[in-house]
Amino acid sequence: DIVMTQSPDSLAVSLGERATINCKSSQSVLYDSINKNYLAWYQQKPGQPPKLLIYWASTRESGVPDRFSGSGSGTDFTLTISSLQSEDVAVYYCQQYFDNPRTFGQGTKLEIK
Amino acid sequence: EVQLVQSGGVVVQPGGSLRLSCAASGFTFDDYTMHWVRQAPGMGLEWVSLITWNSGTTYYADSVKGRFTISRDNSRNSLYLEMNSLRTEDTALYYCAKEESGNLRPFDHWGQGTLVTVSS
Repeated sequence: DIVMTQSPDSLAVSLGERATINCKSSQSVLYDSINKNYLAWYQQKPGQPPKLLIYWASTRESGVPDRFSGSGSGTDFTLTISSLQSEDVAVYYCQQYFDNPRTFGQGTKLEIK
Repeated sequence: EVQLVQSGGVVVQPGGSLRLSCAASGFTFDDYTMHWVRQAPGMGLEWVSLITWNSGTTYYADSVKGRFTISRDNSRNSLYLEMNSLRTEDTALYYCAKEESGNLRPFDHWGQGTLVTVSS
């Protein structure tokens, strides 16, 4: 199984500042033949199901604000929120969909400082 | 509008059985792979199972293999999870989720969750 490890486990950032969450996979999730990373990011607010933010490591889902961006390739990935808003308080998960079983990172709790 | 509506929460004793359901609407259900994902109280997301559009392929997490069975009824636009030999560690909020079109894709829509409590 591909193990996904996020860092940090929790993060406190001031409003308007940048937030960065990292995700590392135990093996590459890059499909070389099509040059795509099978990596997604989800946001989960309290009492709600997860919401897809980013897929293919860097493609924003429709309707997701452009302050959210994803980067990385192979085994190392980053979710960046360029200017934190109060509505961004949530837990963020990375997920690989390169292989079954589909595995999630343990989550990163993002709070306002 | 895509909707995934799940059945209500339940309490079941250890060793007991339960069937969860997820009713889909707003998309062509039999075109998509569907999944179950669970979340224990205060914990992260754990993928549980998948079933392809025609039920040709199913896959399970090791933690539930041999005890849970995923199925679907495309004529009823419904997804199911049969849960047997339940353990206290199966206590969680169970989500159904729709995979995006194509092979090996992320989950673009989620149900609201069904709380399963395994307790004596």
